[in-house]
Amino acid sequence: GNSVTQMEGPVTLSEEAFLTINCTYTATGYPSLFWYVQYPGEGLQLLLKATKADDKGSNKGFEATYRKETTSFHLEKGSVQVSDSAVYFCAQARGGSNYKLTFGKGTLLTVNP
Amino acid sequence: DGGITQSPKYLFRKEGQNVTLSCEQNLNHDAMYWYRQDPGQGLRLIYYSQIVNDFQKGDIAEGYSVSREKKESFPLTVTSAQKNPTAFYLCASTPQGRPGNEKLFFGSGTQLSVL
Repeated sequence: GNSVTQMEGPVTLSEEAFLTINCTYTATGYPSLFWYVQYPGEGLQLLLKATKADDKGSNKGFEATYRKETTSFHLEKGSVQVSDSAVYFCAQARGGSNYKLTFGKGTLLTVNP
Repeated sequence: DGGITQSPKYLFRKEGQNVTLSCEQNLNHDAMYWYRQDPGQGLRLIYYSQIVNDFQKGDIAEGYSVSREKKESFPLTVTSAQKNPTAFYLCASTPQGRPGNEKLFFGSGTQLSVL
């Protein structure tokens, strides 16, 4: 079935370090892919998305490229800030009408000053 | 400001008791969703509703029930049949029920614990 696998955390970085959070998916066809972020005590917010192969989603300095050949959608940021500390979820849309999302288990990122 | 309001923020359930979690949105969205979040497990879909007076089971509907009598409201009842209810519950909505094409808007969640 359709699934999303992302790297287990927690990930701890110093401010201004480079961030990569790996995400791979299994699916029939070509799903849309997403990264959602959850700040402490809050719901999730959409960070970025890509709807077809080779698309790059970007927002707030974060980027992820839809790689069909490796079925991946890794999240990257060149220089993290303390305010980026949160849980990051990779997700894919499944179903012919894109009416459901399958989420990964989430990766906790902590950025220290 | 438009958004999704979940209440209460914290809820405690006694054994054998049914409890209801509230979710209200003023975004005029057609579709609403309930997710359960467990540590290290990500989000799992419980129920969703794409239109008033209609709803469908998600991946883990057993032990839960919902209603959608009004467009803006989608309450979730955790019944006594749900043997492991302790989790963080998130309500979400989209304009037209296509979360693959539309952004999901989330509430701030309800933490349910068993006494």
